[in-house]
Amino acid sequence: GNSVTQMEGPVTLSEEAFLTINCTYTATGYPSLFWYVQYPGEGLQLLLKATKADDKGSNKGFEATYRKETTSFHLEKGSVQVSDSAVYFCALNTGNQFYFGTGTSLTVIP
Amino acid sequence: DTGVSQDPRHKITKRGQNVTFRCDPISEHNRLYWYRQTLGQGPEFLTYFQNEAQLEKSRLLSDRFSAERPKGSFSTLEIQRTEQGDSAMYLCASSPGTENYNSPLHFGNGTRLTVT
Repeated sequence: GNSVTQMEGPVTLSEEAFLTINCTYTATGYPSLFWYVQYPGEGLQLLLKATKADDKGSNKGFEATYRKETTSFHLEKGSVQVSDSAVYFCALNTGNQFYFGTGTSLTVIP
Repeated sequence: DTGVSQDPRHKITKRGQNVTFRCDPISEHNRLYWYRQTLGQGPEFLTYFQNEAQLEKSRLLSDRFSAERPKGSFSTLEIQRTEQGDSAMYLCASSPGTENYNSPLHFGNGTRLTVT
């Protein structure tokens, strides 16, 4: 079956720290991979995506590389800001359905 | 692009009552999805439409839940005889609807249901 596993949170970092949120997946075929971010009281917003092996998605200083050999799509940011505090969801798309991880809550303190 | 719109934002109802939520997708998007999200969890797939056709429905979905998209534009999700376990955030999302795996979902801000 198809599934996404994310590292459990919550994660608390100081401003300007390095961020990694781990994501691994199980999928039939060749899915596309996504990271979404959810701010309090809002819906999910697309953060970045990668559509094939070795692709790197990037946006707002966040990056993730589609690693087929390790079935992973880890999210990284070199220097987090207080405004990055949110819940982050890893997801895969098999064409008809999206499968989401359980989310990782990030809090960045000044 | 006015985004995906959901109404109402919040709904409080008593157990046993029926509720209906509305979703207006991005106008040129053919696919429309409903998800449910509970605290500390990721979105759980409920159902999706390609235009007016409901193509897939979660096997976990109770028959108290029904969704429609009569003209291939807006959609409604109805929950009959609500139970406390139905309390959750109900998210609607749309996408262009091709077989393109690259197309992301665009989410609305959700409807938060509380069943007392």
